[in-house]
Amino acid sequence: DADVTQTPRNRITKTGKRIMLECSQTKGHDRMYWYRQDPGLGLQLIYYSFDVKDINKGEISDGYSVSRQAQAKFSLSLESAIPNQTALYFCATSDADYNEQFFGPGTRLTVL
Amino acid sequence: AQSVTQPDIHITVSEGASLELRCNYSYGATPYLFWYVQSPGQGLQLLLKYFSGDTLVQGIKGFEAEFKRSQSSFNLRKPSVHWSDAAEYFCALKRGGNKLTFGTGTQLKVEL
Repeated sequence: DADVTQTPRNRITKTGKRIMLECSQTKGHDRMYWYRQDPGLGLQLIYYSFDVKDINKGEISDGYSVSRQAQAKFSLSLESAIPNQTALYFCATSDADYNEQFFGPGTRLTVL
Repeated sequence: AQSVTQPDIHITVSEGASLELRCNYSYGATPYLFWYVQSPGQGLQLLLKYFSGDTLVQGIKGFEAEFKRSQSSFNLRKPSVHWSDAAEYFCALKRGGNKLTFGTGTQLKVEL
């Protein structure tokens, strides 16, 4: 089984709809991250969490919110989706500082 | 400000040829650097990382990278490319709190 899973893998939604992307991990890591990937822009950090009670904004948090339901679960919500939020979204986890981040397979979101 | 530059958006090499992907960084302190690979439809997988010590680091799949402080570079190399190496490659720089700044990626195409 994959260590970092994301659901759904693909989603098409309409402008104005609320949508939630979910991430679960079995690695036992404390730190979790949400990124979005746009062609030609690499990955940009949306939100990150160092533990259940610690949530922080990344560089592009506007229009997004997150919830850390448990150590293993970190959800990303778009309260009112807009077309320029069409992107590939990745969840990642890590343990202690300096260690690598482990990425999920991604969720491809299309907002019409 | 911290930044990562990957000057080459696309690179095409013949199978069996050598490969070098360029990465330049800007960071005020000792950098911690990573190379990730993203195969089509997949998440990101760590190829190698540099934290300190030997400036030539070995990674998985036959890849290596050399850290050159004087040139602010961390170029990825492989002596002989295989068709399965076709993917997108990202260089990343660790910031505080284990946050990563990614380059915009280099898409590698391998000609048979």
